Amino acid sequence: DQQVKQNSPSLSVQEGRISILNCDYTNSMFDYFLWYKKYPAEGPTFLISISSIKDKNEDGRFTVFLNKSAKHLSLHIVPSQPGDSAVYFCAPLTSYGKLTFGQGTILTVHP
Amino acid sequence: DVKVTQSSRYLVKRTGEKVFLECVQDMDHENMFWYRQDPGLGLRLIYFSYDVKMKEKGDIPEGYSVSREKKERFSLILESASTNQTSMYLCASSTYTRQNIQYFGAGTRLSVL
Repeated sequence: DQQVKQNSPSLSVQEGRISILNCDYTNSMFDYFLWYKKYPAEGPTFLISISSIKDKNEDGRFTVFLNKSAKHLSLHIVPSQPGDSAVYFCAPLTSYGKLTFGQGTILTVHP
Repeated sequence: DVKVTQSSRYLVKRTGEKVFLECVQDMDHENMFWYRQDPGLGLRLIYFSYDVKMKEKGDIPEGYSVSREKKERFSLILESASTNQTSMYLCASSTYTRQNIQYFGAGTRLSVL
């Protein structure tokens, strides 16, 4: 029973263009939605989050959009840079402080 | 800066061995977590702890146990390692905020032969 799905295992984008990473979930009780970024041989690092009562949160080049009726969120990176190449995980937060991670999307940004 | 340190980056063990993975955090966080990461499956929660000597099962606890004798240290124990426990193991810690951001260690790549 997968509560969180990132249906695109990989995404390839040209430098300077927009990267859009998607995430679908089934549980309406998630309180916060977090995005993590992971480089090879490193642990995941927190990138950006959005509260369930908002529909958009922006931090520099990163914007997360939440569509609660569709149970869908997306992470936009504009403009994409080669250093953004990493695995991105969507991770909704439950009320007990637990994160449920999606399968991850490998983003490759080509120079 | 939060620092979560995992004792080993790479570990090779034999089937049937008892394996200890250690994790230490330096931010006085109440919560600590153990995950494993496998290709195509994301991160799956094995065990977590909200306080010293407390532990809760995550989504895949079978074959694992944990110990939290001190607030800063959370150990994952494989009682009798099996080949299907070959994986990347990640430790994380967090404190009580609305977002409960978890901070991760660099991971331990465990191979069970």
